[in-house]
Amino acid sequence: DAKTTQPNSMESNEEEPVHLPCNHSTISGTDYIHWYRQLPSQGPEYVIHGLTSNVNNRMASLAIAEDRKSSTLILHRATLRDAAVYYCILRDLRGGADGLTFGKGTHLIIQP
Amino acid sequence: DAGVIQSPRHEVTEMGQEVTLRCKPISGHDYLFWYRQTMMRGLELLIYFNNNVPIDDSGMPEDRFSAKMPNASFSTLKIQPSEPRDSAVYFCASSLEPGGANNEQFFGPGTRLTVL
Repeated sequence: DAKTTQPNSMESNEEEPVHLPCNHSTISGTDYIHWYRQLPSQGPEYVIHGLTSNVNNRMASLAIAEDRKSSTLILHRATLRDAAVYYCILRDLRGGADGLTFGKGTHLIIQP
Repeated sequence: DAGVIQSPRHEVTEMGQEVTLRCKPISGHDYLFWYRQTMMRGLELLIYFNNNVPIDDSGMPEDRFSAKMPNASFSTLKIQPSEPRDSAVYFCASSLEPGGANNEQFFGPGTRLTVL
């Protein structure tokens, strides 16, 4: 899987929007951009994914740059429960499923 | 569905002992993954199965580690003999065949292994 770069940590206030960036300058045309998060003492959980267009779901929004070399996960109104490590992962699933390659992710701290 | 089930949740053992971790994937999922998480190395894929067949075990650290999936609803990860450096949280995950390139993986709660 192609490499991604994320800030080690970010801090935000409760009830404010949070923008988590991810750089993936070597992304290929068949790579999907996936985001997972890991809450304290839990296994990772899927957040959102996209290919070229921006995506929205009940948890978050994903904004993908036009050249696809970067993306931003947007939490519209952060709560204390959103404090977690957020992982940006590229996946090419043409050959079927494979394991996830986790980087160090971004540790999101939410201040009350 | 109860989600991915792992047992035990915590395991403390002494160096040299055999350890067996267990996983029950979500019913109907075709893929099963074993990951390990440590402070030093983060989350790493150890091995994964498709339809009970091991597909990629390149992440298995050494011959002391072995994994099996005798049927679609059960998998084990065994360490024999265990060493202190095996102390970690071990996660099991499962997913469906990729469709629409989502292929979300569902993770279990993990087994925290401590080898003394």
